[in-house]
Amino acid sequence: DAGVIQSPRHEVTEMGQEVTLRCKPISGHNSLFWYRQTMMRGLELLIYFNNNVPIDDSGMPEDRFSAKMPNASFSTLKIQPSEPRDSAVYFCASSLYREETQYFGPGTRLLVL
Amino acid sequence: GIQVEQSPPDLILQEGANSTLRCNFSDSVNNLQWFHQNPWGQLINLFYIPSGTKQNGRLSATTVATERYSLLYISSSQTTDSGVYFCAVVWGGGADGLTFGKGTHLIIQP
Repeated sequence: DAGVIQSPRHEVTEMGQEVTLRCKPISGHNSLFWYRQTMMRGLELLIYFNNNVPIDDSGMPEDRFSAKMPNASFSTLKIQPSEPRDSAVYFCASSLYREETQYFGPGTRLLVL
Repeated sequence: GIQVEQSPPDLILQEGANSTLRCNFSDSVNNLQWFHQNPWGQLINLFYIPSGTKQNGRLSATTVATERYSLLYISSSQTTDSGVYFCAVVWGGGADGLTFGKGTHLIIQP
């Protein structure tokens, strides 16, 4: 299996621009998670989906952040408008079922200038 | 929510040494995973271990759920073991996302 696929791997943008991060989970996995890693806050959960339905978005920092999962093989995390404090590494992870092993993608390194 | 504490925060060892990393958590868990984040930033699964003991080569892990801690053992360290080791749990009383500890930064010197 190819594992969890994320794109782009690196993104540099200017403050105020829209940013879209993409994730393809492992085929057959029913749960998908978005995490963010920063020096100040470490790794934290943003949102997770089960069977394409958002279950818990309490970690989404602001209304500027939104996430969708239109089908079982694709999810997006969008930031609009972006701000410098959004600079971080964003990870997508998937698991076969809730509470099972989560497998992480390589991450998207975002820099907002 | 649940609290996850890892110790030590930093560890510097010579190649060939053994080490024990500890993870304490404040409540019941449905999932506990150990990860290695390599210098390129990749999060690599080491163990899924909500309870019991597992071994994989030079690495082994033990979780005592009733006492709310987990240990990761690394034997005969190699320079490629360097990086940050994270413990992460799924809280038994909350959502299914992982709550991460702050990690143990391990440096193996040749």
